[in-house]
Amino acid sequence: EAGVAQSPRYKIIEKRQSVAFWCNPISGHATLYWYQQILGQGPKLLIQFQNNGVVDDSQLPKDRFSAERLKGVDSTLKIQPAKLEDSAVYLCASSLSGIEQFFGPGTRLTVL
Amino acid sequence: QKEVEQNSGPLSVPEGAIASLNCTYSDRGSQSFFWYRQYSGKSPELIMFIYSNGDKEDGRFTAQLNKASQYVSLLIRDSQPSDSATYLCAVRGSSASKIIFGSGTRLSIRP
Repeated sequence: EAGVAQSPRYKIIEKRQSVAFWCNPISGHATLYWYQQILGQGPKLLIQFQNNGVVDDSQLPKDRFSAERLKGVDSTLKIQPAKLEDSAVYLCASSLSGIEQFFGPGTRLTVL
Repeated sequence: QKEVEQNSGPLSVPEGAIASLNCTYSDRGSQSFFWYRQYSGKSPELIMFIYSNGDKEDGRFTAQLNKASQYVSLLIRDSQPSDSATYLCAVRGSSASKIIFGSGTRLSIRP
């Protein structure tokens, strides 16, 4: 069974630029999560989708971050414009049961 | 007060000994508790989850939950160098399905 796929794996941009991340969850997993993990901290949930509907986006900075999950499968997370404090690893996870989350390899973003 | 608190470590344990990792949480209505392992530069992977008070064992790992004390722990028996990693405690609160992670405890197993 293929795992959660993410791309790109690494991205370096300058502040005020925009960036987008892509996630393909495990086939059949209805729940998809985007997390931000800053170095030395635990993952922080940005947004949770159930199929293509948003379940929780309470911690998503909506003035600069947006996410969508078209057709209930792939998802993209966008940051526009980026700030220095957005430097982090962005993790996508998916779940079938809502119990176990399977994480992708993450995208390491550096904002200069 | 943080919602999920862990000692950041590092916790150094000799090979073959028992490693004990602890976590406290603030939401008294929390229902589900998880332990994830994260190797440096890698993504978290689930080790165990527990819902009920008491102990749950899986191989060398034992999760312990005490809801009255709002405390969850992970014991690793016969610690191996490959257990060296950061261990993240995660809690699903009472109000929603969102899982909140602690900052993790860094565990180092010394040969």
